[in-house]
Amino acid sequence: GESVGLHLPTLSVQEGDNSIINCAYSNSASDYFIWYKQESGKGPQFIIDIRSNMDKRQGQRVTVLLNKTVKHLSLQIAATQPGDSAVYFCAEWKSQGNLIFGKGTKLSVKP
Amino acid sequence: DAEITQSPRHKITETGRQVTLACHQTWNHNNMFWYRQDLGHGLRLIHYSYGVQDTNKGEVSDGYSVSRSNTEDLPLTLESAASSQTSVYFCASSREEDTEAFFGQGTRLTVV
Repeated sequence: GESVGLHLPTLSVQEGDNSIINCAYSNSASDYFIWYKQESGKGPQFIIDIRSNMDKRQGQRVTVLLNKTVKHLSLQIAATQPGDSAVYFCAEWKSQGNLIFGKGTKLSVKP
Repeated sequence: DAEITQSPRHKITETGRQVTLACHQTWNHNNMFWYRQDLGHGLRLIHYSYGVQDTNKGEVSDGYSVSRSNTEDLPLTLESAASSQTSVYFCASSREEDTEAFFGQGTRLTVV
């Protein structure tokens, strides 16, 4: 069936290192993807998005890469900081017009 | 500032009772969504709406209903609460398809 999922449920990195969070999707008809950050006790917050006509999009310290050939999405966080500790979700706008989330990756940043 | 608010933030109810969770957004967004979040399942879509009088079932809609009588509100009703519906519920809205969705702070519901 169609799904959005993540390769790694947890990721622990040293402060200052780069983080990479991965996501696989199976709906080739989807054309818009979003990364969300969720801190404990809060709702998901938008980080960055990408449309299927792009391979890469950069924000402040974050980069999203989209590989449509292998249906893979990744979020790169440069110079990871303690404030980046959270659960990260990829989400996909499905062709039926609803927003579906993957299961999430917990990022822990060690000082 | 425009925002999306959920109420209550915490709710404890008994099995079999009807419960309604409120969601209100001031962005004038067409699309609104309800998700539940449980450990090991991430965020799962319950119901969604593309506009007034429009409602659609999501992945886990059994036992839930919504109504959209105006643009700003999408209340979620549990017809007869069950312990399996103990969860954290999130409401979200977006201007249209393929645009960023904004989330509320969540409602933690416990069914005892």
